[in-house]
Amino acid sequence: GESVGLHLPTLSVQEGDNSIINCAYSNSASDYFIWYKQESGKGPQFIIDIRSNMDKRQGQRVTVLLNKTVKHLSLQIAATQPGDSAVYFCAETFYNQGGKLIFGQGTELSVKP
Amino acid sequence: EAGVTQSPTHLIKTRGQQVTLRCSPISGHTSVYWYQQALGLGLQFLLWYDEGEERNRGNFPPRFSGRQFPNYSSELNVNALELEDSALYLCASSLASPGQETQYFGPGTRLLVL
Repeated sequence: GESVGLHLPTLSVQEGDNSIINCAYSNSASDYFIWYKQESGKGPQFIIDIRSNMDKRQGQRVTVLLNKTVKHLSLQIAATQPGDSAVYFCAETFYNQGGKLIFGQGTELSVKP
Repeated sequence: EAGVTQSPTHLIKTRGQQVTLRCSPISGHTSVYWYQQALGLGLQFLLWYDEGEERNRGNFPPRFSGRQFPNYSSELNVNALELEDSALYLCASSLASPGQETQYFGPGTRLLVL
């Protein structure tokens, strides 16, 4: 069935290091992927997205990589800061999904000063 | 530019009661989505409204319903509340369908059912 899963539920990194958060998806029809950041008590905040016609997309300090062959998505955060501490969700969807985003369970990123 | 707004921020109800949650989308967005985030579970899709019409609903019972107004704001109604309805209810909005536009979320309404 459709699912988006994360390999690591928790990730602890030192301030200044790079972070990599991984996500696996099972629906080969998915063609749009989004990463969200959710801080405690807040709603998910859009970070970056990528469509299936791309392999890589960069933003400010963040990079998303898409490997359609193995159905894998990753979020790289450069020079991780304490403010990056949050739960990160990947989400997938495709045309005819009826507006529905399928979310992974989330990875909690903890940044040690 | 104002983001998605939701009200109330917190709500406490008892079993069997009914609740109405409200959402105002980002200006210019016509699609509104509702998600449930229960403790220990991921975000689960509830409903999608676009141009005043319900376009899709997730795997939730009929006591979860809603509507979208001409100004694109939306309400989520939950009847006959059950304990397991306790969750964070999130509203998101996007530009027009078919639903592959980026969804931007509000802060959510935290519902506690006692």
